Amino acid sequence: QVQLVESGGGVVQPGRSLRLSCAASGFSFSTYGMHWVRQAPGKGLEWVAVIWYDGSNEYYADSVKGRFTISRDNSKNTLYLQMNSLRVEDTAVYYCATLYSTFDWWGQGTLVTVSS
Amino acid sequence: SYELTQPPSVSVSPGQTARITCSGDALPKKYTYWYQQKSGQAPVLVIYEDSKRPSGIPERISGSSSGTMVTLTISGAQVEDEADYYCYSTDSSGNHWVFGGGTKLTVL
Repeated sequence: QVQLVESGGGVVQPGRSLRLSCAASGFSFSTYGMHWVRQAPGKGLEWVAVIWYDGSNEYYADSVKGRFTISRDNSKNTLYLQMNSLRVEDTAVYYCATLYSTFDWWGQGTLVTVSS
Repeated sequence: SYELTQPPSVSVSPGQTARITCSGDALPKKYTYWYQQKSGQAPVLVIYEDSKRPSGIPERISGSSSGTMVTLTISGAQVEDEADYYCYSTDSSGNHWVFGGGTKLTVL
């Protein structure tokens, strides 16, 4: 069965960096684009970034552009999100997800807390 | 940046029809997806490509589209339908995705 397992969340000070990982299994990871979506405590869903199936294209929400980098290693079936210059407002649960029509799978999420 | 607009809340009595709208300039040209999220859980896809229902989603949940507005309709709403609902689509370039602000559906 399809599984997406995020890791790497935690508490970090403003201005610091953090890298999230998402381990995928149960499907052909290298044939699907992948997304990161976040949800701040008590708030709505916010799309963060997408990467093409082969890593050839990446697109970002304006709120993270220039600070976050999405990447993937198809040999390891793993998606990444490098988060630099973190701000308090980046505090959220971060989900990796497929979001491809009915091939719609989400991980359980990993909590990132940015606080001094 | 592109935005999708939803009402913050909708409230109906059990058995009534709930309608949740989502508006955006690119919606006439881009598909919309709807997600249901219950407290503490990951979102669940309930409508894809404007009006199609994934397997396992009750027939009382439907989607429709008209111009710059799409509508999620829950006919005969049940207490178990209480949740936050989000529309999701892309801007006109197709390269930036966006969620609506979410609508809290109360059935009581």
